Amino acid sequence: QLQLQESGPGLVKPSETLSLTCTVSGGSISSSSYYWGWIRQPPGKGLEWIGSIYYSGITYYNPSLKSRVTISVDTSKNQFSLKLSSVTAADTAVYYCARLYCSSNSCQFDPWGQGTLVTVSS
Amino acid sequence: QSVLTQPPSVSGAPGQRVTISCTGSNSNIGAGYDVHWYQQLPGTAPKLLIYDDSNRPSGVPDRFSGSKSGTSASLAITGLQAEDEADYYCQSYDNSLGGSVFGGGTKLTVL
Repeated sequence: QLQLQESGPGLVKPSETLSLTCTVSGGSISSSSYYWGWIRQPPGKGLEWIGSIYYSGITYYNPSLKSRVTISVDTSKNQFSLKLSSVTAADTAVYYCARLYCSSNSCQFDPWGQGTLVTVSS
Repeated sequence: QSVLTQPPSVSGAPGQRVTISCTGSNSNIGAGYDVHWYQQLPGTAPKLLIYDDSNRPSGVPDRFSGSKSGTSASLAITGLQAEDEADYYCQSYDNSLGGSVFGGGTKLTVL
């Protein structure tokens, strides 16, 4: 059964870079059938797609975050990572990683990691 | 402001039927892109509930159903149970944004 686990610092200072890693177990990140993505949820608020990556390194980013986001993949470690630069308090959220199955008509996120809370504060 | 619009809350008594709407536009649902629904129980990660407008993943009870028409989609829950109390999110693709978009979420309260 495929599982995803987020890891990284739970506290980041304003203006610094948030870095998270998602480790995939129970399946290969190099599968040609899937993309891999990051989604975040500010406390008490809704879900926001951050971006997605294919095992080959092709990336898609939310236009509202594109200037600050980098998603990368390490197939040798079965991991993919998120970097979000110049963070502010508005970036405080639970960050989830997920597998995406994409057809010609959209992508569905399944399964999800358990999520990790990242707080931006000095 | 979310690209997809959902009511902030709905409620119903045990055994009743409730529906949750998801309203988009001609750049997402109206363009024919599939709609997916997620259930988020308190303190947990979202879980895929309905995919491709109306399909249930294995293990999801048939009390849950999805439909789509025009620029809107709906999630229906029949035979409401206390365990259904959760937040529900719709999700699709938007061709003007070039990526996935979520609704703002609907909190279901079982009275």
